[in-house]
Formats: sequence, C-alpha cells, structure tokens
Amino acid sequence: QVQLQESGPGLVKPSGTLSLTCTISGGSMSSNKWWSWVRQPPGKGLECIGEIYHTGGTNYNPSLKSRVTISVDKSKNQFSLRLSSVTAADTAVYYCARKDNRGWFDPWGQGTLVTVSS
Amino acid sequence: DMQMTQSPSSLSASVGDRVTITCRASQSISIYLNWYQHKPGKAPKLLIYAASTLQSGVPSRFSGSGSGTDFTLTISSLQPEDFATYYCQQSYSTPYTFGQGTKLEIK
Repeated sequence: QVQLQESGPGLVKPSGTLSLTCTISGGSMSSNKWWSWVRQPPGKGLECIGEIYHTGGTNYNPSLKSRVTISVDKSKNQFSLRLSSVTAADTAVYYCARKDNRGWFDPWGQGTLVTVSS
Repeated sequence: DMQMTQSPSSLSASVGDRVTITCRASQSISIYLNWYQHKPGKAPKLLIYAASTLQSGVPSRFSGSGSGTDFTLTISSLQPEDFATYYCQQSYSTPYTFGQGTKLEIK
C-alpha cells in the first residue's frame, strides 16, 4: 500500500524559504491522482496549500499562491514544496497526502513540524 | 472560501456510547464531504468519503450521512481506539477546506 513520508529542515529563519520533500513508497506517483500539501498551524485548523499531478500540472491555494512552488521528481518518486518569504505565521505541521480526483485525501504522511524563528 | 463549521468542538464520552458529530457548510456542497480521524503524531486517516461511503478497512461502527449543507458522522459504539480528533472536509469547491475539528475525549 502507498505510504508517504515528509522530510526537510525543522527550523527556517524569517524571510527564508521553507523546503520539504515527500517520498512515496509502495506505489507509483504516475497514477491518476494528485499529490498534495496540507498544513496545520499550532492550535489551528488544516489548510490546503496546493497539489501537483505527475505530468507537472499544479493548483495552489490563492492565499499562498504568490509564495508557493510544488514540483515533482518522478525518477525518485518524490514531490516537493517550497514556500518563500516565510514568517512566524508559517509555523505549522506540514503534511503530504495523495488526493483522489473526487477530492478526498488518502493516505497522508505523518507530518513534519516546521518552525519559523531566528 | 467555503466555511466548514463542526460541532461540538470537544466531546467527552465513554466506551460503548453512541456519538454524533455535526459539520455544516456555508453553502450547499451536495455530497462532497469527507471525514478524517487524527491522532497526535500520526497521519490523518480517511474514514468516510462522499458523505456516506465508508473507506475500505474502516470499522462499520462509523457512518456518515447528510447532503447539501448539513452532515453528520456517527460512531455507534465507541471503542478505546476511537478517541481522537475528527475533521470534516469539503471537496465541492477549491480551495478545499476543513472544519476546525472535534476532539473526542474519554469521560
């Protein structure tokens, strides 16, 4: 079965760029699914960041679109998130997930906490 | 963005209880509503999609209902492993949005 695992630095400086990678195991990302990033700030709700198809097509949350880039590396079965110009408000647990074309997320990674602090 | 409102925000219940969690959308979303279970430090888990379809492998004590703006998640007989936070999510319009969560605690 497909499993997802996030990786990347747990601490990013303000105004810097947050970079995370999601590694997919147990399946190919060249399936008819979208590969997504979702985050949860401490004490707050879940927020969709964006998604990518294996052909490279992307969709981003308009609230983050100017700062977000999601890319894919099919040879490594990975996709990545870059979020620029970060502030303390970007401190959150970041999850990667597979999104069905009908809109639900399954499975998810365990999440990784990224703290924005100097 | 579509607003999703869950109630209650927290709930205390005992093993064996029947529990219902409600999710309300700010406008009609047909049956484009999904439910997740989340335990601390774990990956969120899809329970129900399209309002009432049980995800493979999810125990039958979980059920979902509703359409339009009002939806419910019901656990027919709480088990110890069910104590977690539950989220609804709409997949009717982008950006997809989640409810704020319902924390289910042991009484």
